[in-house]
Amino acid sequence: KAGVTQTPRYLIKTRGQQVTLSCSPISGHRSVSWYQQTPGQGLQFLFEYFSETQRNKGNFPGRFSGRQFSNSRSEMNVSTLELGDSALYLCASSLIGENTEAFFGQGTRLTVV
Amino acid sequence: GENVEQHPSTLSVQEGDSAVIKCTYSDSASNYFPWYKQELGKRPQLIIDIRSNVGEKKDQRIAVTLNKTAKHFSLHITETQPEDSAVYFCAAEKGGGYNKLIFGAGTRLAVHP
Repeated sequence: KAGVTQTPRYLIKTRGQQVTLSCSPISGHRSVSWYQQTPGQGLQFLFEYFSETQRNKGNFPGRFSGRQFSNSRSEMNVSTLELGDSALYLCASSLIGENTEAFFGQGTRLTVV
Repeated sequence: GENVEQHPSTLSVQEGDSAVIKCTYSDSASNYFPWYKQELGKRPQLIIDIRSNVGEKKDQRIAVTLNKTAKHFSLHITETQPEDSAVYFCAAEKGGGYNKLIFGAGTRLAVHP
């Protein structure tokens, strides 16, 4: 079974631009969560999607948004990029329900210059 | 609020020694507590998890204990090996599900031969 796939692996963007990251979950997994990982803040929850609906959102500004498609693939978008948005963005897929394991993708390393 | 504190932030041991990492969580509704290992440049990978209906779980050299009353849980690694060197993250699932994990800040474990 293929794992969680994130594309692209690396991105370099300029301040003020916008970026879209993609995540394909494990087959059969319908929940996709996104996390931001930085050296200073650790792993911070961005949002979670199930059945094309955002069910939970972390404490990030409205510049961070996402969506999920009918095949469970998910995208996240960051608009008006700031230097502080430089981070590793990880997505995780899970089966539905409480207490289920989250499987992480390799992440997208975003650098804002 | 939702918070997970993790200690220590760094841990250095000799090969063959034991390592203990401790976490405290704030959400009394949390019922699922996974531990992830992240090697340099790689994705976080689940190494063990525990649900609130048990107090201890063991898998070969790794064990996790949970004290729900005190809101503490700990990771124990025995007979450490150099390949155990990595960053370890504890997490607590937000009560009510929605696959939202609140992570600790991480512990960088170094095992010296």
